Amino acid sequence: DQQVKQNSPSLSVQEGRISILNCDYTNSMFDYFLWYKKYPAEGPTFLISISSIKDKNEDGRFTVFLNKSAKHLSLHIVPSQPGDSAVYFCAASDSNYQLIWGAGTKLIIKP
Amino acid sequence: NAGVTQTPKFQVLKTGQSMTLQCAQDMNHEYMSWYRQDPGMGLRLIHYSVGAGITDQGEVPNGYNVSRSTTEDFPLRLLSAAPSQTSVYFCASSYSVAERDTGELFFGEGSRLTVL
Repeated sequence: DQQVKQNSPSLSVQEGRISILNCDYTNSMFDYFLWYKKYPAEGPTFLISISSIKDKNEDGRFTVFLNKSAKHLSLHIVPSQPGDSAVYFCAASDSNYQLIWGAGTKLIIKP
Repeated sequence: NAGVTQTPKFQVLKTGQSMTLQCAQDMNHEYMSWYRQDPGMGLRLIHYSVGAGITDQGEVPNGYNVSRSTTEDFPLRLLSAAPSQTSVYFCASSYSVAERDTGELFFGEGSRLTVL
């Protein structure tokens, strides 16, 4: 059973608009959450993270929101740019300090 | 800036053959790990190491061996390849165990393995 789920395999957004990528988790013991970005033929690269003691973290155009009661986190990209087209993975750190990954959402930014 | 280097990038094997995926990092990172990525699934941890001479199993270790004789290198060995091991393999590292705990990993470009 997947502990970290990204239910949207793909998302298409107009350039300049907001992109919202969602991630749900089932394990209430997760205490750290991360987003990674992956371009084709490259490895994932770290984007932004959030500790479970916070509900929001910002870094430039990227903001991650955490709703612990709903076991839900989201990544907001504002404004969306063509270079943001990539696969986005959310991941959570469990009590064994290992990362559990979602299956990814492919974001397509339309010009 | 080499970062994390994986070789080969592509490999085709026949069932039963063995091979080694190489991983090297030049950032003096303590923590190194191997993941596999399959369609429709998240990355899954195969093996990891918190320092030279120390290795441990991840979520899906069966059919794979690792060793960590130096800080820089962390090879992944497939002992007897099976079609179920067809996947994209990623090596990742982080500076310290503490950073590993927060999950900020540096990844190689991946190795695509096909087992016929």
